[in-house]
Amino acid sequence: QQPVQSPQAVILREGEDAVINCSSSKALYSVHWYRQKHGEAPVFLMILLKGGEQKGHDKISASFNEKKQQSSLYLTASQLSYSGTYFCGTVEGSARQLTFGSGTQLTVLP
Amino acid sequence: GAGVSQTPSNKVTEKGKYVELRCDPISGHTALYWYRQSLGQGPEFLIYFQGTGAADDSGLPNDRFFAVRPEGSVSTLKIQRTERGDSAVYLCASSLQGPVASEAFFGQGTRLTVV
Repeated sequence: QQPVQSPQAVILREGEDAVINCSSSKALYSVHWYRQKHGEAPVFLMILLKGGEQKGHDKISASFNEKKQQSSLYLTASQLSYSGTYFCGTVEGSARQLTFGSGTQLTVLP
Repeated sequence: GAGVSQTPSNKVTEKGKYVELRCDPISGHTALYWYRQSLGQGPEFLIYFQGTGAADDSGLPNDRFFAVRPEGSVSTLKIQRTERGDSAVYLCASSLQGPVASEAFFGQGTRLTVV
């Protein structure tokens, strides 16, 4: 079942923060986050496993609330290079596939 | 190879024709995935291989779509009797292990246009 992402689009100024949310109605094994720039392939950001964890590198981090089956991606002090479409992907407990949401388009303006 | 390679990068075909799309995954990756992406949408799952076998083919839209991975490496997605609605970017990805905890590496995709 496809996860639900919100918001659909975000416009920021350089240096501002953003949060992108991903939720599922099914029990999840893991949540993946990817970024895709126009005309390019999706690029991996991070994976969070069930057990409720947080991860991060540089100014991009994420959390996974296993009880709520929700994950959030946090972008701090955004840079122009953060622009792109962010997808969460989920692996459900009963499935053997990585299913992506419809994406959040992030635009960072100078 | 250095990354996931997909050929051709672009394919234009006439409605009703048969097409084959090829994916060459990263060496040593046991898992291989096919997705379809339309403009403004997320990648839509088609099929997942673990080794030579299809672990999950529940995303294939109908029996016109078929995929193989005979030696556990290269995979071919085959579409029979193409329709205009099949036009999309077909993405292939591979990962070291299954999808739960392994990063998926995507190829650049094959843009299929059915005219």
